[in-house]
Amino acid sequence: GAVVSQHPSWVICKSGTSVKIECRSLDFQATTMFWYRQFPKQSLMLMATSNEGSKATYEQGVEKDKFLINHASLTLSTLTVTSAHPEDSSFYICSAGRGQIAKNIQYFGAGTRLSVL
Amino acid sequence: ILNVEQSPQSLHVQEGDSTNFTCSFPSSNFYALHWYRWETAKSPEALFVMTLNGDEKKKGRISATLNTKEGYSYLYIKGSQPEDSATYLCAFQYNNNDMRFGAGTRLTVKP
Repeated sequence: GAVVSQHPSWVICKSGTSVKIECRSLDFQATTMFWYRQFPKQSLMLMATSNEGSKATYEQGVEKDKFLINHASLTLSTLTVTSAHPEDSSFYICSAGRGQIAKNIQYFGAGTRLSVL
Repeated sequence: ILNVEQSPQSLHVQEGDSTNFTCSFPSSNFYALHWYRWETAKSPEALFVMTLNGDEKKKGRISATLNTKEGYSYLYIKGSQPEDSATYLCAFQYNNNDMRFGAGTRLTVKP
């Protein structure tokens, strides 16, 4: 159990376009979802935390208007990279938590590699 | 600044070798320490969650220890197999909701 599906796994887009990434918990209700970004050979860096039905909490330095997060249901969160630029090219990965169960283990998607031309 | 350091960055071992690597984290504000296993093109998978100083956890050939007073955790793999090849991530949880990940140790086990 505790499967998280992330889609798409890979996307190439032109500069100035917007890209939406979906993160779904398939067999459980995710009280909290997390969005991370990873540059080569670096750590997963938390971008934002979202709770179903409320606004996402963004980490310092992450532009809210650039990275739009919607958590409309207990099984779906989306990250939209608006007006993407080459510097937004990165690996984005989501995870979902089930609250206090099992000391906040996070269940991850497989990630999305974004390349902006 | 919360620094979570993992060493080594990468490791190449022969099948059958035992290996270990380290996660260092702040010794204050400790809530939990997580280990994840991340195979290429797959999702990171939770291995262990450790909360108490002196905790030892084991899953098959993989085990982990925790020292919260000095701020480190070791992950051990006994008799490495090619299928153990993956990146091993640790994450330091410092309150109910927040975690900071290390950059990972990339293990390659050669047949």
